[in-house]
Amino acid sequence: AQKVTQAQTEISVVEKEDVTLDCVYETRDTTYYLFWYKQPPSGELVFLIRRNSFDEQNEISGRYSWNFQKSTSSFNFTITASQVVDSAVYFCALSEVSGNTGGFKTIFGAGTRLFVKA
Amino acid sequence: EPEVTQTPSHQVTQMGQEVILRCVPISNHLYFYWYRQILGQKVEFLVSFYNNEISEKSEIFDDQFSVERPDGSNFTLKIRSTKLEDSAMYFCASTIWLAGEEQYFGPGTRLTVT
Repeated sequence: AQKVTQAQTEISVVEKEDVTLDCVYETRDTTYYLFWYKQPPSGELVFLIRRNSFDEQNEISGRYSWNFQKSTSSFNFTITASQVVDSAVYFCALSEVSGNTGGFKTIFGAGTRLFVKA
Repeated sequence: EPEVTQTPSHQVTQMGQEVILRCVPISNHLYFYWYRQILGQKVEFLVSFYNNEISEKSEIFDDQFSVERPDGSNFTLKIRSTKLEDSAMYFCASTIWLAGEEQYFGPGTRLTVT
């Protein structure tokens, strides 16, 4: 069954520190997709990054980077030089085709609340 | 930039009443989704919809829930007889094609059942 675990409930850092958010997932599929979304205090869900299961290349996009490791089923997300505006809840999500119907289903982790203090 | 819109932003209803939450996905998108988020909790998948039929649904999406695409633009979620525990933020999302694509989320409708 699908499962996404974000073990860190809350993280507090001081501005300009780097912070890594952990995500561990479970799936039986060989084809799946992983995402990170941000939910600021205003409540909307903002897409940050996406990775498919065939592409383990890790990349950097501005202050964001991610570390996808299939061997450990982890998809960790790092914010470099954090800013106060990064304060939000961050959700890791897993999307795959359902074995029952062939339809698509996305499962979110419980979220990690990040506080960045000035 | 195209965006997903949802109406109303906040709906208050009495227990047992029917509610319809409305969404307008991005116009060239083909997959549509509903999620809910109980206050302070995680985002939960309800249903995905493609080609005018349900593609996948979760255990939460029981007979009290239904979805419809009544015209070429709207995508609705109906709750037939609301319960207190249906109080949550409901998000609509759409993708252009596959599950692997980024889901564009609407701003959400906050449903309060009293």
